[in-house]
This record gives sequence, structure tokens and C-alpha cells, in this order.
Amino acid sequence: GQNIDQPTEMTATEGAIVQINCTYQTSGFNGLFWYQQHAGEAPTFLSYNVLDGLEEKGRFSSFLSRSKGYSYLLLKELQMKDSASYLCAVMDSNYQLIWGAGTKLIIKP
Amino acid sequence: ETGVTQTPRHLVMGMTNKKSLKCEQHLGHNAMYWYKQSAKKPLELMFVYNFKEQTENNSVPSRFSPECPNSSHLFLHLHTLQPEDSALYLCASSQEAGSYNEQFFGPGTRLTVL
Repeated sequence: GQNIDQPTEMTATEGAIVQINCTYQTSGFNGLFWYQQHAGEAPTFLSYNVLDGLEEKGRFSSFLSRSKGYSYLLLKELQMKDSASYLCAVMDSNYQLIWGAGTKLIIKP
Repeated sequence: ETGVTQTPRHLVMGMTNKKSLKCEQHLGHNAMYWYKQSAKKPLELMFVYNFKEQTENNSVPSRFSPECPNSSHLFLHLHTLQPEDSALYLCASSQEAGSYNEQFFGPGTRLTVL
């Protein structure tokens, strides 16, 4: 079967750095997405990785290792507004998104 | 209006009611999706429409009936639902299904079935 694993919840301090991991086992791979979802709001696109390596976009970076079935989202200089759920999703061989259950990130002052 | 809109934002219905959820996208996309999001569970893809044609039905019970009259509008008709159907129903759109395009989501309809 297809499976996406990510931690249920993480806590970090304002101004610090946090890394949210995602491991996957899917039938085929056509890229990995990260989305951010604030409580009661729509998921919004953060990043897309299809090749190995690190993609940096401001305070957020996303890393992919296809051989290890592994990705992480790195958030730097954390702000209170970064408190949200972070969803990892893999596009399988049928171009269908397989979603993880999301990681709820709590930022403390 | 911009992006993806959904109405209503909240809906409470009895098991014998019939109601419809509406989604509209203003992005010029050709693919639209319905997802179910339950607490602490992954998003579940329900239906996919690509150029108004249904291309995916992920074993969804017949009490959920989608309708896509054009590329900008998507409906989910609900009848004789069960309490376990209570969830957040998200609509999304993308340039085209079956490709790498990111999906843009609406804010969702929070559905409670009594």
C-alpha cells in the first residue's frame, strides 16, 4: 500500500529553527509537495520537489532524497504566524496526490 | 472574487436531509477536486473532474453525488448522510489533472451530520 508518515505534533520556540520530516512509500513518484494549513483555513502551497536536494524559498526550505523516500521542511526564524499544520503529499505514478495526516506545529514565545 | 470559493462555510444537517455544497474557481483551471478532511487523518480524495469529465471516483458512497456543469463550478450533492460523514470538505483546482500542477484549495465546508 501507499503510505506517508510525518510526526503528529511538534513544538518550537519563536525565532528558532524547526525541521518537519516526511517519509513515504508510494507506487511511483512524480514529486513531493508541502502545504501549510492554518486552523479553519485552506491548505496553501509551500513547495514542490521532484529532484534530490534542497530548495530554498525565504525562511522555508524543502529537502528531498528519492533513494531514501524522505523529505523535510525546514522553517527558520520562526514566527508566531507559523503555527499551523504542515501537510506532506506525494504525487504517485498516476499523478494522484497521496497525503500525510499533517504535522501540527506549535510556536511558543 | 479570486481563487477558490466554497459555500456554505458551515452546514448542519440531519440524516434525512438533502443539501448541496458549491465550489467555484476563478483561476481559469481545468481540473477540480473534492476532498474529505477528518481530524488527524490524511486528506481523502473523493472525486476528480478534468475538463468537466469525471476521471476519478475513489470508492465514494453513492450518498455523495458530484456535479460539474463547467470548468469553473463544482457541486457535491448530499443525501441520507451518516454521522461519520461529518468532516471538512475541501474543494481544489489545478491547471489540469494528471500533471505536476499544484492544487489550489478553497476554505472548505465544515459539515456536521446529526
